[in-house]
Amino acid sequence: GAVVSQHPSWVICKSGTSVKIECRSLDFQATTMFWYRQFPKQSLMLMATSNEGSKATYEQGVEKDKFLINHASLTLSTLTVTSAHPEDSSFYICSAPPPGAFFGQGTRLTVV
Amino acid sequence: GNSVTQMEGPVTLSEEAFLTINCTYTATGYPSLFWYVQYPGEGLQLLLKATKADDKGSNKGFEATYRKETTSFHLEKGSVQVSDSAVYFCAPNSGGSNYKLTFGKGTLLTVNP
Repeated sequence: GAVVSQHPSWVICKSGTSVKIECRSLDFQATTMFWYRQFPKQSLMLMATSNEGSKATYEQGVEKDKFLINHASLTLSTLTVTSAHPEDSSFYICSAPPPGAFFGQGTRLTVV
Repeated sequence: GNSVTQMEGPVTLSEEAFLTINCTYTATGYPSLFWYVQYPGEGLQLLLKATKADDKGSNKGFEATYRKETTSFHLEKGSVQVSDSAVYFCAPNSGGSNYKLTFGKGTLLTVNP
């Protein structure tokens, strides 16, 4: 079946640095990718929807300048957490349509 | 917007026990309903779904019935196995062409031999 590969699976970074998370669709083309965030013991919350060749659509309350999303090709979407702070520590996961059908493995980000 | 109330975990069962994980939702329109499973160290996988009232989704021995009158989508399995140990998420999506998913908090299930 279709696979979404997310990398890295975990990352530790220092405050103020930026971290890039990649999601690749391995055997299909994904014109859209959903990015979710999950705090410990909480739900997954949709952050934004990336669209190949156009700007991402962000959910209310999500800072566009902090969470940069790029969908440069039909098989790659990236999320960059810029100037990361400890409160950005979370689990980030991508998903390709149909909605919720194919999820990446998730990335555990810890900002120290 | 949508909201989901999912049974708090963790849930610990012995092998072959009966499992129920409750899920109720509020949603506008006519959502589709999903259960996802996350095995240790892995991403989310779609477990089952139901797209309209009274539909029953089933997979790997798990079942859930779309109950519109009680706005519920409880997950059940008659006889759990150790390999079912995972986190389970209930998620309705928005109806129509808006496919935004709203996830429950997740329920950690541990099955002991």
